[in-house]
Amino acid sequence: DAKTTQPNSMESNEEEPVHLPCNHSTISGTDYIHWYRQLPSQGPEYVIHGLTSNVNNRMASLAIAEDRKSSTLILHRATLRDAAVYYCILRDVAGNTDKLIFGTGTRLQVFP
Amino acid sequence: KAGVTQTPRYLIKTRGQQVTLSCSPISGHRSVSWYQQTPGQGLQFLFEYFSETQRNKGNFPGRFSGRQFSNSRSEMNVSTLELGDSALYLCASSSSIGTGQETQYFGPGTRLLVL
Repeated sequence: DAKTTQPNSMESNEEEPVHLPCNHSTISGTDYIHWYRQLPSQGPEYVIHGLTSNVNNRMASLAIAEDRKSSTLILHRATLRDAAVYYCILRDVAGNTDKLIFGTGTRLQVFP
Repeated sequence: KAGVTQTPRYLIKTRGQQVTLSCSPISGHRSVSWYQQTPGQGLQFLFEYFSETQRNKGNFPGRFSGRQFSNSRSEMNVSTLELGDSALYLCASSSSIGTGQETQYFGPGTRLLVL
């Protein structure tokens, strides 16, 4: 399973944009980049995923480098509710599995 | 649709006992996965079931087992409990056939404490 590297923690002020980086230098051509987050005392929840092109949804945007060796999750205006651990995960489309391999993630703190 | 439900939410057992945890996936979802979360090891994959068949298994001892029923509900069992089995056990479901794109929907977890 390909690995990802994320900073252990990041901080932001409320209503500011947040850019959460992820390095995945060993990504294969069939790996999708997924992001999940885990709010305190809850199970993880899906945020966004992409393959090559940048992606947007109501929660966030995903910017993928041209060589796909890194990506950035963008929260456009952080709220206190966005304080969570964010996980960047690679999923092989050819693997016939739903298995998620979680790394240590980035703990995001949001200050009022 | 109702989300993924897990029962019980909290459980206290003693060493040597066994425990069974239950997971009801979102209606229509046929894939169920289990994860263990501890402060030291983080989130680790236990196993994955699809249509009553185990599709994948993580690196856990044989004391950890699971099964899936025809209605897609799943149970996991841990026998001969050890102190290190204290953890949050999370269940996730998806509608998938394993293409790598499907969203996993997680339940709230069962917190197990082994004394």
